[in-house]
Amino acid sequence: DIQMTQSPSSLSASVGDRVTITCRASQGISNFLAWYQQKPGKVPKLLIYSASTLQSGVPSRFSGGGSGTDFTLTISSLQPEDVATYYCQSYNSALFTFGPGTKVDF
Amino acid sequence: QVQLQESGPGLVKPSETLSLTCTVSSYAVSSGYYWGWIRQSPGKGLEWIGSISHIGNTHYTTSLKSRVTISVDTSKNQFSLKLRSVTAADTAVYYCARGDFYFDYWGQGTLVTVSS
Repeated sequence: DIQMTQSPSSLSASVGDRVTITCRASQGISNFLAWYQQKPGKVPKLLIYSASTLQSGVPSRFSGGGSGTDFTLTISSLQPEDVATYYCQSYNSALFTFGPGTKVDF
Repeated sequence: QVQLQESGPGLVKPSETLSLTCTVSSYAVSSGYYWGWIRQSPGKGLEWIGSISHIGNTHYTTSLKSRVTISVDTSKNQFSLKLRSVTAADTAVYYCARGDFYFDYWGQGTLVTVSS
């Protein structure tokens, strides 16, 4: 099975900062990579799919990149409402795997 | 707007079977897509349990495969999860969601506690 890692596990930033989270797959997954945002006590929300496609309604300050084994989620200018845990998720051979999450706060 | 809603007991005894149903609104399950179950233990990350297609093809995560069954009832526009021989480690919020390669619509989640 594919293993997913994320770094860092947590980070503290300031409003307006550029934030980048890295996700790595244990084997190549092409661009079958999605990112989710989960605020405390809330349902996970799809932000990006196919590694770099922004889900409808998601602010353009969010962007994704990468392919193969290494992927990034970037928030270009961090806003107060972006405090959340971010998860990557892979799809390979009909199986899904989530990363352990990255907690973002101020 | 596609909506999903989980239902089922919030308390299950150890060694018994956890059973949940997800009712889908504003989209016919028979029309397509895979339909999945994901769980989140208290304070922990997300764990995919398994998924089922509109025609009943199933895929399960390796660690739970021996204890899980997911089924679909297109006449009721529902799909269901059964997890056998539960222990305290199965205590979690269980989500149902729609997705072939990623999950775009999620239910609100239901907390299931395993305790005697």
